[in-house]
Amino acid sequence: QQPVQSPQAVILREGEDAVINCSSSKALYSVHWYRQKHGEAPVFLMILLKGGEQKGHDKISASFNEKKQQSSLYLTASQLSYSGTYFCGTDETGANNLFFGTGTRLTVIP
Amino acid sequence: GAVVSQHPSWVICKSGTSVKIECRSLDFQATTMFWYRQFPKQSLMLMATSNEGSKATYEQGVEKDKFLINHASLTLSTLTVTSAHPEDSSFYICSARARASQVGTDTQYFGPGTRLTVL
Repeated sequence: QQPVQSPQAVILREGEDAVINCSSSKALYSVHWYRQKHGEAPVFLMILLKGGEQKGHDKISASFNEKKQQSSLYLTASQLSYSGTYFCGTDETGANNLFFGTGTRLTVIP
Repeated sequence: GAVVSQHPSWVICKSGTSVKIECRSLDFQATTMFWYRQFPKQSLMLMATSNEGSKATYEQGVEKDKFLINHASLTLSTLTVTSAHPEDSSFYICSARARASQVGTDTQYFGPGTRLTVL
């Protein structure tokens, strides 16, 4: 039930782009993306609903391919503040009970 | 977004004592709250789903007699770790289900977490 994320870790220089993938073995109703900084709680980024959604905010966007049971998070022109661990949470039933992925640790360096 | 608070932020206790952690939704009512446990550099592991006015639903492998959950009101859920032992030391995070703005569907908003250290 726990989705798998890749890569496990990535180091970027400011201004570079990154893609984080989330893959499930189960059919999904929605995918939720969060960012967690060290010692803090996860912060909600966005939800993608089934139907092949794509959305974005500022320079962070995401897509959801429900047929492939995959979602990807795109970080464009990364900033230092993007550093943290990114988790996807998958909802299999629509009841909002999320299974969180293994996490991707993103480090942006000057 | 919706705001969720947790209290205390951290607690250190002796083995054998019980510890209560509170989770509050500050600006909305939450019929459902979730309790997670997170070990260093690992993902969030769901412990239980807390529903207002009814018994919590525990995930497989989580001892309900050890981790007591009470969702007494629409804004408060508590987790009590009974007879805590060093292996219970962890980061405990609650979340509350709320409508995500501009989306029209629910997501989970997380509290800041409570770091429990059992000596």
